[in-house]
Formats: sequence, structure tokens, C-alpha cells
Amino acid sequence: NAGVTQTPKFRVLKTGQSMTLLCAQDMNHEYMYWYRQDPGMGLRLIHYSVGEGTTAKGEVPDGYNVSRLKKQNFLLGLESAAPSQTSVYFCASVPGAALNTGELFFGEGSRLTVL
Amino acid sequence: SQQGEEDPQALSIQEGENATMNCSYKTSINNLQWYRQNSGRGLVHLILIRSNEREKHSGRLRVTLDTSKKSSSLLITASRAADTASYFCATDTGRRALTFGSGTRLQVQP
Repeated sequence: NAGVTQTPKFRVLKTGQSMTLLCAQDMNHEYMYWYRQDPGMGLRLIHYSVGEGTTAKGEVPDGYNVSRLKKQNFLLGLESAAPSQTSVYFCASVPGAALNTGELFFGEGSRLTVL
Repeated sequence: SQQGEEDPQALSIQEGENATMNCSYKTSINNLQWYRQNSGRGLVHLILIRSNEREKHSGRLRVTLDTSKKSSSLLITASRAADTASYFCATDTGRRALTFGSGTRLQVQP
């Protein structure tokens, strides 16, 4: 059982380039999340999805887009990367209704550097 | 601004000692969770405490919750070098997503 898998694990971009981070979970979870982690800032929510075909903005959504075309996948896109988007990105999932009682399952992170 | 703030930001103790870290939050919650993150890894869930609970235990972990003070504490007893990690509190405010604090970095010296 792979759990939550993020690809790629590392990426270096130049300012203005675009890229997509892929998150895949094999636990049939309804809810999926993208967080970013910066030094001293903890995790901040970028976007999330409560089901296939639905997405919603989190705390820091600007500069990012997301899609949830399949229940098991949650994609995070950067259309025009900026140095401020240098960060470690984490995907997480949870069964859904269990959010009030259960735990988030995290991927191992994707480290993105924008030059 | 962060919903949860951990205190202290960093903590260094000797193996065998107890480690206590605190979390304060701002709005009412459904539950509060604690996560651990080893360096360069993803977060792993440790324990969840519901808003109507005051204390919960799991192995060497003890969590307390004081909703009147909007605060929680995580106690790790008889710490081990393997407990070295960052610890985060996260609050569920019913908005379908958890809000994380900035974390406490724990260093356990062997």
C-alpha cells in the first residue's frame, strides 16, 4: 500500500516557467490537500478538494491552480513560477467525513526551488 | 495568521527526560491533533483530542486540552534520541481542513 505519493520529489525552475506537481493516493480518500511549508511558518493550506471534480481555495492560493479530475489524483500547478514559491509542498488526504475524527495522511513532500 | 502557535520554538533535552510543548489557538475547534515530522520527511499523525476531552494518552504521549484557555500541551515521557523531530499541532475548526501551527523542534541528546 503506497499511501500518498508525490511526484516529483525535487525540481528546480526558472522564474516564469510552469510546472505541475502530482499527488496520488490509493486509500480511496475523499478529501485531498496541498500545503506549503516554509522555515518558521509551519504548513499553510494552498488549495483543497472535498471530492472528485471539486476544489476550493485555502489560505495562500495565489499563483497556484489545482484540479481533481480523478478521485485518487490531486494536481497542483504553477503557471508562472516566482522565487516566492520556493518551498516544500506537501499533499495530504483524509477519508472525508472522518475529518472530524481522523488523521491526515501525508506524502513525503516535493521540494521546489525557483531561481 | 496562524491558528495554532507552538511554544517553545525549539527544545533541547537529555535522553530520559520529559519533553513538554504547548499549542495555543484562536478560534473554537472540533478537535486538535498533534503531528510529528522527521527531518526531510512528511508529517505523521500522533494523537487526536476532541473538544469535549481534557486528556488523552497514547504510549509515552500525553495530550491535554483546555478549551477555556484555547491551549493544548503534548508531553513525551522518557524521551529517546529517536524522538528528535519537529512537532506540530493542528486544529479542526469545521472548515474541512486542518490549520497547522509553526511547530516545536525537539532535540533529544543521547
